[in-house]
Amino acid sequence: QSVLTQPPSASGTPGQRVTISCSGSSSNIGSNTVNWYQQLPGTAPKLLIYSNNQRPSGVPDRFSGSKSGTSASLAISGLQSEDEADYYCAAWDDSLNEGVFGGGTKLTVL
Amino acid sequence: QVQLVQSGSELKKPGASVKVSCKASGYTFTSYAMNWVRQAPGQGLEWMGWINTNTGNPTYAQGFTGRFVFSLDTSVSTAYLQISSLKAEDTAVYYCARVVIAAAVSWFDPWGQGTLVTVSS
Repeated sequence: QSVLTQPPSASGTPGQRVTISCSGSSSNIGSNTVNWYQQLPGTAPKLLIYSNNQRPSGVPDRFSGSKSGTSASLAISGLQSEDEADYYCAAWDDSLNEGVFGGGTKLTVL
Repeated sequence: QVQLVQSGSELKKPGASVKVSCKASGYTFTSYAMNWVRQAPGQGLEWMGWINTNTGNPTYAQGFTGRFVFSLDTSVSTAYLQISSLKAEDTAVYYCARVVIAAAVSWFDPWGQGTLVTVSS
């Protein structure tokens, strides 16, 4: 199982707001920043959010990230059909001295 | 634009070796480290480790020591992942991803398109 814990699935209807959680510990999320990656079906992952809440250029402001303590969240507002993808959180783990990913959340737009 | 282009799919027999390449363009290759990430069929992402493109020094995650080797050819801005003594459980898509570091935080951007390695007799 993954060091970071994400729900395996999430869903919403077009226009809705959904959030995806990522739970860790003091050695990873608690002491380091969190990044989020979006993996559209059949494609490579793409950077979505870095340093907890920063959006790379080109990422719509419908996507936002936050972190509190040992947990982080990704929020998607104004859900669109093209947002249907797998979403992964990631952070550095100071105890393992490794990068760690969440298990991924499959987002379905109903 | 910054781009990572990986080599094509590979079909190998158990016990064989494979070498995956990741060619960088659009930036100074030695200014950014390179990560490798594995994704088994239908599974999530696994961090394999990274290589310092300045020194060539690799760091491997637990579970990726011994049969996995990261290397570089800086003259052609290319990183390599070699896997020896292949097993069926090595069947996966392997991604390279550039490490961006700013103000003591880091992230992976961009990613290569992935290379599918299939191990089957």
